[in-house]
Amino acid sequence: EPEVTQTPSHQVTQMGQEVILRCVPISNHLYFYWYRQILGQKVEFLVSFYNNEISEKSEIFDDQFSVERPDGSNFTLKIRSTKLEDSAMYFCASRGTSGGIGELFFGEGSRLTVL
Amino acid sequence: DQQVKQNSPSLSVQEGRISILNCDYTNSMFDYFLWYKKYPAEGPTFLISISSIKDKNEDGRFTVFLNKSAKHLSLHIVPSQPGDSAVYFCAASGANEKLTFGTGTRLTIIP
Repeated sequence: EPEVTQTPSHQVTQMGQEVILRCVPISNHLYFYWYRQILGQKVEFLVSFYNNEISEKSEIFDDQFSVERPDGSNFTLKIRSTKLEDSAMYFCASRGTSGGIGELFFGEGSRLTVL
Repeated sequence: DQQVKQNSPSLSVQEGRISILNCDYTNSMFDYFLWYKKYPAEGPTFLISISSIKDKNEDGRFTVFLNKSAKHLSLHIVPSQPGDSAVYFCAASGANEKLTFGTGTRLTIIP
């Protein structure tokens, strides 16, 4: 069964460092997303991406965050200068055209720990 | 931001019985509702959805009910099986791509 894969599974970084989280969405999907879950809190929307541009972003997704689809398969989330409060599980998700608007396929997540 | 609320953090149900998970929302612009299931160390997995034009959607052992006037939805699982033990998230969306999630309910099925 096709799946969304994310790397790394866990990254530890120092505050102020840049981090890139990588995702390989399901190959024929066209809509891509990043969500995050801070420990003990709800899953929160960060950004959606379609047709090589951001279609929607939340207030969390400030200038420190960026997304890119550098080739036909990868979808990356970059945090330019990490803060302690960026520590969370980051989930990549993708969606095809056959499913409903919220019927996303999520990866297993990348746990980011900022020290 | 409490637009989607799951007031029961946990629920225990005997195997074979019905599990009922509840969710309330406040934003009347939401028109599509979903349930996701999450096992530890995995991402959420889509389970079932319902559009605001319906009041019920069924898929095998899973049924979602929507009461728009009460801004309430529920997920029924019958019969409950041990593999159903997981955290269940209610989610909602409006006209855009953004999903708003609830805080989750941890369901434990007792053999």
